[in-house]
Amino acid sequence: DTGVSQDPRHKITKRGQNVTFRCDPISEHNRLYWYRQTLGQGPEFLTYFQNEAQLEKSRLLSDRFSAERPKGSFSTLEIQRTEQGDSAMYLCASSPPVSHRANTGELFFGEGSRLTVL
Amino acid sequence: AQKITQTQPGMFVQEKEAVTLDCTYDTSDQSYGLFWYKQPSSGEMIFLIYQGSYDEQNATEGRYSLNFQKARKSANLVISASQLGDSAMYFCAMRALYTGTASKLTFGTGTRLQVTL
Repeated sequence: DTGVSQDPRHKITKRGQNVTFRCDPISEHNRLYWYRQTLGQGPEFLTYFQNEAQLEKSRLLSDRFSAERPKGSFSTLEIQRTEQGDSAMYLCASSPPVSHRANTGELFFGEGSRLTVL
Repeated sequence: AQKITQTQPGMFVQEKEAVTLDCTYDTSDQSYGLFWYKQPSSGEMIFLIYQGSYDEQNATEGRYSLNFQKARKSANLVISASQLGDSAMYFCAMRALYTGTASKLTFGTGTRLQVTL
């Protein structure tokens, strides 16, 4: 399977614990995005990487959240001191370079990591 | 700033019938792209169709077509010949199109489509 993969798919944790999610994008895609989706809502942008550089962060990304993409390939999203309000689906997406043929800006999403904070 | 509005929380359609899912948008950008994604219960967002703001013709992809009315700022999705497998959440999204921008999409709240026998 050459799509975007995310791990773990489900995570249940107690309030105050730290959690980390991993995303492996499509190999030739240099752009990687994290989105958060709460129940009944559409995905909301969290952050964006081009290669290893984190170029944009949403105000939704509090200081308890940190994302990395150290080698420009996979990415991790860590949430420290989790709160019940962090319960959501965390979606990772990737996209090819702007110069890629027929690039409409379509994002290719993984199946998401569902976080439940008790 | 961009805003997407989907006013239909849920829709029902009979198998083999056509259905229209509404989407209106607001943006100050002159050049933008509009997208529709499908999200089945598995959670993955599946790209369906794209329309550029300067495209003169409405986009079509198989059973999907996008009814783009720029003056009304609407980008409705039409699904023809509905199938049971079309039951899912459908999200309208948009992004600005200008050099150097990330493909940061702004999504609506979605419409849940249920296809019945």
